[in-house]
Formats: sequence, structure tokens, C-alpha cells
Amino acid sequence: GAVVSQHPSWVICKSGTSVKIECRSLDFQATTMFWYRQFPKQSLMLMATSNEGSKATYEQGVEKDKFLINHASLTLSTLTVTSAHPEDSSFYICSAARQGRPTYNEQFFGPGTRLTVL
Amino acid sequence: QKEVEQNSGPLSVPEGAIASLNCTYSDRGSQSFFWYRQYSGKSPELIMSIYSNGDKEDGRFTAQLNKASQYVSLLIRDSQPSDSATYLCAARAYAGKSTFGDGTTLTVKP
Repeated sequence: GAVVSQHPSWVICKSGTSVKIECRSLDFQATTMFWYRQFPKQSLMLMATSNEGSKATYEQGVEKDKFLINHASLTLSTLTVTSAHPEDSSFYICSAARQGRPTYNEQFFGPGTRLTVL
Repeated sequence: QKEVEQNSGPLSVPEGAIASLNCTYSDRGSQSFFWYRQYSGKSPELIMSIYSNGDKEDGRFTAQLNKASQYVSLLIRDSQPSDSATYLCAARAYAGKSTFGDGTTLTVKP
């Protein structure tokens, strides 16, 4: 149990285009999902917290108009990188919080999406 | 001061030894604690959760929690080369988001 999928696993796009990444919890409902970015050999950086049916909460310094997050159902959240530029190239990872005792909201990570912007 | 602090390492142990990974946290409201393993180029994988003071064992892994000292540790017994990875500690207050440490890189040498 507790499987989170992400699609696509990798994407290469031209500068200026938009890219959508999907995150799904396959065997549990997740009212809260998280989006992270990780550069090579660096720490996880939380970008935003996504709550089903409401607006996402963005971390300081993350442009909400550039990284659009939609959490339309209890099993799906999407991240759209708008007008991507080479500096947006990174490893994007989502996680979903499985709620309720006794799991105390463990977070399970998707496999990640490697974005390369040319 | 970071909310969750870990020694960055690298920590190197010989195969078969015990690897000890440590973590301290600053938020006394933290109630749930997690250890994740992240292989290079992959996403983190949850390996242990602990919520109460004391030890919790799962196979070769033992998590230890001391809320009074705000300290969490992970022991890996009989370390294998396949355990070589970065280990992330996370702390979560009730109804809050998890805060992650920067990770400790472990290398197990054959």
C-alpha cells in the first residue's frame, strides 16, 4: 500500500513552453500533497503544499504564477511549470500524506519527474 | 538554526557494522518523526516512522526517539553496500507539514 505515481518520469522541453506534471495517490486518499524540487546533490526544497479543493500554499520565494498547482481530487494533484526556462531544469518530486491514526500523516513520495529545459 | 539538523557526513562504515545516524529538531510541538532513504537520482523512500519515546525496530533498522532531548536516531545493523544512500530525517507537528533535514550520506564499504 501507499503508492504514489508521477507522470511523466522525465520531460525535455523548449524554453518558453509549459509542462504539466501529474501526481496520483494510487491506493489511498490524500487531502494534502506536497511538491518539492531538488537540484543535484542538494536538499529537498518544499515548493508548495496542495490541499484538495482549495488554493495551494506556496513557500517563500516560489512564484505561484509560474508554478501552478491544482488539487482537484483526493488522489490527483498537478504542477504546471509555465513558460519554463533552463533554470527551471530540476528534479520535481511530489508526496502525498496518508492521514489518520495510526499512520500520523506519513508522507509517501512519488518517483519524481526530471525536467530539462533547453 | 535549522528546524531539523543532521550531520551531513559522509558517514562511512564497513560492511556488517552498525551505522548510526542522528537528528535533532527544534520544534517541541513535533509529534511524528520519519526516516527516509534516498538513493542517488531517486526520490525518498519511507523506511521508519516513530511517534513515542523509546525504540522501534523493523528488521535491521531501529529508530530511537527522545522527545526530552529532541533527538531522533536511526541504527542500521549488519550494514550492507546496498544501504549506501542519503538518509533524511523529518519531523512533523500535528496537522502540520513535515520538515526535512538536509540528509546524511552513508557509504557502506565491502
